[in-house]
Amino acid sequence: QSALTQPASVSGSPGQSITISCTGTSSDVGSYNLVSWYQHHPGQAPKLMIYEGNKRPSGVSNRISGSKSGNTASLTISGLQAEDEADYHCCSYAGSSTYVFGGGTKLTVL
Amino acid sequence: QLQLQESGPRLVKPSETLSLICTVSGGSISSSAYYWGWIRQPPGQGLEWIGSIYYSGNTYYNPSLKSRVTISVDTSKNQFSLKLNSVTAADTAVFYCARQPTVMVSWDYWGQGTLVAVSS
Repeated sequence: QSALTQPASVSGSPGQSITISCTGTSSDVGSYNLVSWYQHHPGQAPKLMIYEGNKRPSGVSNRISGSKSGNTASLTISGLQAEDEADYHCCSYAGSSTYVFGGGTKLTVL
Repeated sequence: QLQLQESGPRLVKPSETLSLICTVSGGSISSSAYYWGWIRQPPGQGLEWIGSIYYSGNTYYNPSLKSRVTISVDTSKNQFSLKLNSVTAADTAVFYCARQPTVMVSWDYWGQGTLVAVSS
């Protein structure tokens, strides 16, 4: 069970859109549409942003969206705002009641 | 409002056992609608799922940690706990407890996390 692969960092200017990728294998991301995404400001509790691939919990902005193609899931944030600057982590169900996270991506709003 | 709070020693010696408790308030740990999990983040690294438990006591562990991990639940105290034995410096991390709805494959409420260092 290897960690999912995320870019170490992405950046964008206010108002732009960014996409963070999360690449796994046919044993996790590719087999299940069960990827979740978390926003994490240092020192705070992580916040659920997307679950089951593309579902937003109540209260999460509709600027946030999730998708999947093959073994890669993606998180897109449109209309980038300063408050979006944080670390983002993906997680996938990996079968047999186990889960695997990605290495995390630092989003910088320029 | 549901709250989760991790507690336990912040410093553990190598080869000893790391023990943490997660206290749940504002909701019942005995609800059939949720699993309860432990997740850690070593300094400068990503999150790692450690394991999860159901109120009935059924447990699910990360295969890479399974031989060293025990998660248990105490419904009378509305708490669940983590024990990680034979620790090394590589186990130094921020440890989070979190709630996992059975109908949403994700963790929807998290504790603030607690940093546990492994050092002599």
